[in-house]
Amino acid sequence: EAAVTQSPRNKVAVTGGKVTLSCNQTNNHNNMYWYRQDTGHGLRLIHYSYGAGSTEKGDIPDGYKASRPSQENFSLILELATPSQTSVYFCASGGGEVFFGKGTRLTVV
Amino acid sequence: GDQVKQSPSALSLQEGTNSALRCNFSIATTTVQWFLQNPRGSLMNLFYLVPGTKENGRLKSTFNSKESYSTLHIRDAQLEDSGTYFCAAHYGNEKITFGAGTKLTIKP
Repeated sequence: EAAVTQSPRNKVAVTGGKVTLSCNQTNNHNNMYWYRQDTGHGLRLIHYSYGAGSTEKGDIPDGYKASRPSQENFSLILELATPSQTSVYFCASGGGEVFFGKGTRLTVV
Repeated sequence: GDQVKQSPSALSLQEGTNSALRCNFSIATTTVQWFLQNPRGSLMNLFYLVPGTKENGRLKSTFNSKESYSTLHIRDAQLEDSGTYFCAAHYGNEKITFGAGTKLTIKP
C-alpha cells in the first residue's frame, strides 16, 4: 500500500506565526492533496498538485499556500496562522485511488 | 459539501445485523472511494470504484454513475466496524470531494 508520511504529527503555533506542514510519498504518485478536517465538515480540499512544480487551489484555499518542489514532497504553508486554522490536516497522494497520511493536529493559540 | 450528500449521518447497529450507507452526487463523478476513519483518526481505504460493484469480505459497494449514487453494504456487523465512513467523489481534473461522513456505532 502507498506510504504517505506527514510531519509534524502535532504542532502548536502562535497567532501570526508561520507554519509549514510537510508531506512525503514514496510511491511516485503524480497527484497530491491537502485537506483539513473539522467536526461537522468532513474533509475539505485546500490545495492539490498534479506533479512537481504544480499547485492548484482547492475549495478552501484562503490563508494557505502550497509548494510541490519534487514528485515526493508537498508542503502546506500558513504564512500568518490564525486560531481559525486550528484543525487536523491530512495529506494524500494518488494516481487514481488516493491514500492518506495519518494527519497533523495543528493548534493555533 | 453539498456536492456529495451522505446518509445517514449517524447509525447504531446491533452486532450481527446488516445495513447500508449511501452517497448521492450532484457532480459528474468518475470514480468513488469509500474510507473508514478509525477512532485514532486514520483513514483506511475500503473501496475504489468505477461504475459497478466490488465486494470484500462482509463489505460490498456499488457505484451507479447514471443515477449518481454509491452504496456501501455492511453484512453481519462486528464491533470493529465502528467508526466514521466517508465516501469521496473523484471528478473533473483529479479533484476529490468528500461527504460529511456516517458515524457508525456497533453495539454488542
